[in-house]
Formats: sequence, structure tokens, C-alpha cells
Amino acid sequence: DAGVIQSPRHEVTEMGQEVTLRCKPISGHNSLFWYRQTMMRGLELLIYFNNNVPIDDSGMPEDRFSAKMPNASFSTLKIQPSEPRDSAVYFCASRSKSPFSGPGELFFGEGSRLTVL
Amino acid sequence: GNSVTQMEGPVTLSEEAFLTINCTYTATGYPSLFWYVQYPGEGLQLLLKATKADDKGSNKGFEATYRKETTSFHLEKGSVQVSDSAVYFCALSDRNNAGNMLTFGGGTRLMVKP
Repeated sequence: DAGVIQSPRHEVTEMGQEVTLRCKPISGHNSLFWYRQTMMRGLELLIYFNNNVPIDDSGMPEDRFSAKMPNASFSTLKIQPSEPRDSAVYFCASRSKSPFSGPGELFFGEGSRLTVL
Repeated sequence: GNSVTQMEGPVTLSEEAFLTINCTYTATGYPSLFWYVQYPGEGLQLLLKATKADDKGSNKGFEATYRKETTSFHLEKGSVQVSDSAVYFCALSDRNNAGNMLTFGGGTRLMVKP
């Protein structure tokens, strides 16, 4: 089975440009999470969706960040305009609604490494 | 609120050495506890878990015991290999939280030298 698929794997852009990161969760998973990882702050939860509905976006740093999940198999994280301090690895993760998967058993993608110059 | 504290890395060991990575937690409810591992260039993946006090999680030679009295979940391995070099994250999920959200520690980098 395919895991969580993220694209692009690497993105280098200039300050002020729009960045769109994409995620395809594992088929059948009903929860999707966006995390950001940096050396300084570690792993931060940005937002999560349940059944395509945003449940908690309190981790989104500011209005420049937005996330959507138009259907069960696709989500985007957009940064507009991007700034150098947004440079990080962004991870998408999904979780099954099956009670057998247990709480907290997230499946992560390989991440999108963003560099804003 | 919930929090997870891990020992700071990097932890550098020789192959076949004994590993301990300390993890303590603070939770308002009755958490489940997890260790995730992140190999270079990859996302996090679940290593082991324990859902109630005194449970022991184990996988790939790693073990951790849920100690409610000391609010700890230390990760151990008797003999590490070079392939165990990675970043290890301790995490908790509070069942009282409707979203069963994970709270992660800061991660501990392990480097194993041949």
C-alpha cells in the first residue's frame, strides 16, 4: 500500500513568492495533520482535519498560512507571501478511523523541505 | 496542559552499547505513550507504544515501560547498531482530548559509531 505522499520533496523559492505544498493521505484514513519541523522549535502541529473539516488551526503561525482539504484524498498547505523564517520541513500525516489503529498512531509522509531565500 | 520532556542529544554510542533515552511527561488525563523514530530524510514512524500504566511496548529490540508513578517512558535497547542512528521522539496522546492529539517531545538524536 502507498503511504502518505507529499510533494514537492524540495522547494527553493524567494521571499514573497507563494508556496503550495501537497499531500495525499493513505486511502481510508479520515484524519489529516500538517506539521512543521525546525531545529529551533522541533515538531509543531499546524492544523488538522477530520473528515475533510478543519478542526484545530491554532498552530497556524499567521494569516500567511492557509490549508485546505477539498476531498478525502488531497490537502494543500499554502504560504503567501513566503518569508525566510518559513524555511522548514513540512510533514503531512494521516490516521485511520479504525479503532484497531489505536490512538496516536499517525502515518507520516517523507516531508517537503522548504527553503525561502 | 500536556507536555513531554526528553533528554537533549546528540547521544553518541559505539555499536553494541546499551541505550537509554529518558522521557518524562505531564498530562491532565490518562495518556497513551509512544516512541516515534525518524531516519535521515524520512518522516516519523511509530516505533512502539503503551496505552496504560505498567504496560511495556517493544519493537526491533527497543523497549519502554509506562511508569505512572514517575511519569516516565524511557526508551532502552540492549545493543545498538549503526542502523539505529536516527532521531527519536517521545509522545503522548491524551484520551481526554477529543482529537486524541499527539504531543511530541523535542526529539533526541542518536548516533551509533561502528
